[in-house]
Amino acid sequence: RKEVEQDPGPFNVPEGATVAFNCTYSNSASQSFFWYRQDCRKEPKLLMSVYSSGNEDGRFTAQLNRASQYISLLIRDSKLSDSATYLCVVNITHSGYALNFGKGTSLLVTP
Amino acid sequence: EAGVAQSPRYKIIEKRQSVAFWCNPISGHATLYWYQQILGQGPKLLIQFQNNGVVDDSQLPKDRFSAERLKGVDSTLKIQPAKLEDSAVYLCASSFHRGMSEQFFGPGTRLTVL
Repeated sequence: RKEVEQDPGPFNVPEGATVAFNCTYSNSASQSFFWYRQDCRKEPKLLMSVYSSGNEDGRFTAQLNRASQYISLLIRDSKLSDSATYLCVVNITHSGYALNFGKGTSLLVTP
Repeated sequence: EAGVAQSPRYKIIEKRQSVAFWCNPISGHATLYWYQQILGQGPKLLIQFQNNGVVDDSQLPKDRFSAERLKGVDSTLKIQPAKLEDSAVYLCASSFHRGMSEQFFGPGTRLTVL
């Protein structure tokens, strides 16, 4: 079983739609959680950290459920520029700060 | 502020040949990471340095891959000899220190092994 699992999609949504991505992780010792965004043929960039209390950044809301080992990302009022791959990322601080990435969920926002 | 620099951006080699990638992290960043990203997958950590010391190389195929960060600044990753399955993007990332600080990625080197 992979450490971080995501629905690969693709998710095709119209502009203005709300879309949610889900992610599960297998190691209960995981300490830190993130969503990274990766545009086609570009490097990953941090979108937001995910906190136990949930956090929001503009149109983006991230939630963490430690009991279920589940992370989510909600994007409201989707823009064309949101089209990208969204990577769920988990860290286990046993020997450093290596990030474990999911395969990513592909989002395409259409006019 | 300059970002993480990597070179070359693209490399095509034949199997069994050798190849080396170079990375210059953001100035002042003590921690440097090399990731391998195969098409359709998320990045996978190969090796992590703290200054010039190795913190984690548990997923580095040491029979063919090697990496160094001799002066605690820039780093090189080498593959010798390359296999077809090494075709991937090799991403270098850096962070200010180990712990909770954000990792910044370079543009990557796209390797094709024929």
